[in-house]
Amino acid sequence: DGGITQSPKYLFRKEGQNVTLSCEQNLNHDAMYWYRQDPGQGLRLIYYSQIVNDFQKGDIAEGYSVSREKKESFPLTVTSAQKNPTAFYLCASTEDSFRWNEQFFGPGTRLTVL
Amino acid sequence: AQKITQTQPGMFVQEKEAVTLDCTYDTSDQSYGLFWYKQPSSGEMIFLIYQGSYDEQNATEGRYSLNFQKARKSANLVISASQLGDSAMYFCAMREGYSSNTGKLIFGQGTTLQVKP
Repeated sequence: DGGITQSPKYLFRKEGQNVTLSCEQNLNHDAMYWYRQDPGQGLRLIYYSQIVNDFQKGDIAEGYSVSREKKESFPLTVTSAQKNPTAFYLCASTEDSFRWNEQFFGPGTRLTVL
Repeated sequence: AQKITQTQPGMFVQEKEAVTLDCTYDTSDQSYGLFWYKQPSSGEMIFLIYQGSYDEQNATEGRYSLNFQKARKSANLVISASQLGDSAMYFCAMREGYSSNTGKLIFGQGTTLQVKP
């Protein structure tokens, strides 16, 4: 079955630690996205990648970093510079950013800072 | 700046009745797309329906339909014959126009729908 997987489902981080959230897709999609969701709120874009080896900052990129070395993978690192990282993180992909198709989402990772 | 507004934080509907979830948007682009997603308590985002700004007909997908009023900049979601499984959070989202082919979506704050038996 084609889809997007995210791991881990739950992640606990101590203050000052960097953590990496995994996002893998087997849909052969070119474009991938990372969103952050705070309780009772909508989604906000952190980073996006329209093609492998290229990525751009979204609206709230500070304290985060990404890489896109493979088409199917778009990991997100939450660095110690992110002041309030506790949130739900969703990864999404779409066939390519020039088509007006829907984005498919992964199941999400819930990050809690202890 | 582009913006999506969902003014109903929470809604209740009786099982088997229809319900309308409101969404208004603001954009200066002539070309844009509007999406509705459902988010159950498990957290995944499920695509429901899409409406393009140049589509002449209102979009429909099974029990979901989109009441698109371009002049009023509204794109309300109508769910007919509500089911208990429809209880979830619903998000309206807009895709930026042709001026920026990034595929980025801008989301509203969401509406929590509870279906009563």
